[in-house]
Amino acid sequence: EAGVTQFPSHSVIEKGQTVTLRCDPISGHDNLYWYRRVMGKEIKFLLHFVKESKQDESGMPNNRFLAERTGGTYSTLKVQPAELEDSGVYFCASSQWTDLYQETQYFGPGTRLLVL
Amino acid sequence: AQSVAQPEDQVNVAEGNPLTVKCTYSVSGNPYLFWYVQYPNRGLQFLLKYITGDNLVKGSYGFEAEFNKSQTSFHLKKPSALVSDSALYFCAVLTLNTGFQKLVFGTGTRLLVSP
Repeated sequence: EAGVTQFPSHSVIEKGQTVTLRCDPISGHDNLYWYRRVMGKEIKFLLHFVKESKQDESGMPNNRFLAERTGGTYSTLKVQPAELEDSGVYFCASSQWTDLYQETQYFGPGTRLLVL
Repeated sequence: AQSVAQPEDQVNVAEGNPLTVKCTYSVSGNPYLFWYVQYPNRGLQFLLKYITGDNLVKGSYGFEAEFNKSQTSFHLKKPSALVSDSALYFCAVLTLNTGFQKLVFGTGTRLLVSP
């Protein structure tokens, strides 16, 4: 079974540019999450999709960040315009949707974003 | 608010010796606790979790963790460390609120196993 995949693995952009990150969850996982780790600090939650719907976007830092999940499959996270403080590692995770909310979240390899 | 703390930025241990990576938690309600590991240039890999039941949880790669309710701890352990265990370890607690669920992570502990 394929794991969570993310593209690109690395991205270097200049301040003010736009970057789009993509995540493909494990097949059949309705839950999809975005997290990020900035400057070696703790990993922080950004948002949670259930299928194509945003369940919780309380962690999105500001309106420069836009997440979508087309048809409940893959997801994209767009940063426009990028700022220096957006640099970090962006992780995507997915889990099954069951009555047991404590399903394990499986993470992708992350996208390392560097804004210059 | 739910939180976890990893008091050690780095743990050093010699190969073959037992290792412990510490984690304490603060939650309201039942704690759902997880350990993840990040090897160099790799993503986060799930190691183990505590949901309910036995306080000693066994996971991948020979790791185990002991849930201690009175001490609000969930320390990660391994009887005999390998050099290949050197990595970044994250403790996390799952927060649940009527269908909303997210992991809250600690700051991570770097484990260095020397030959």
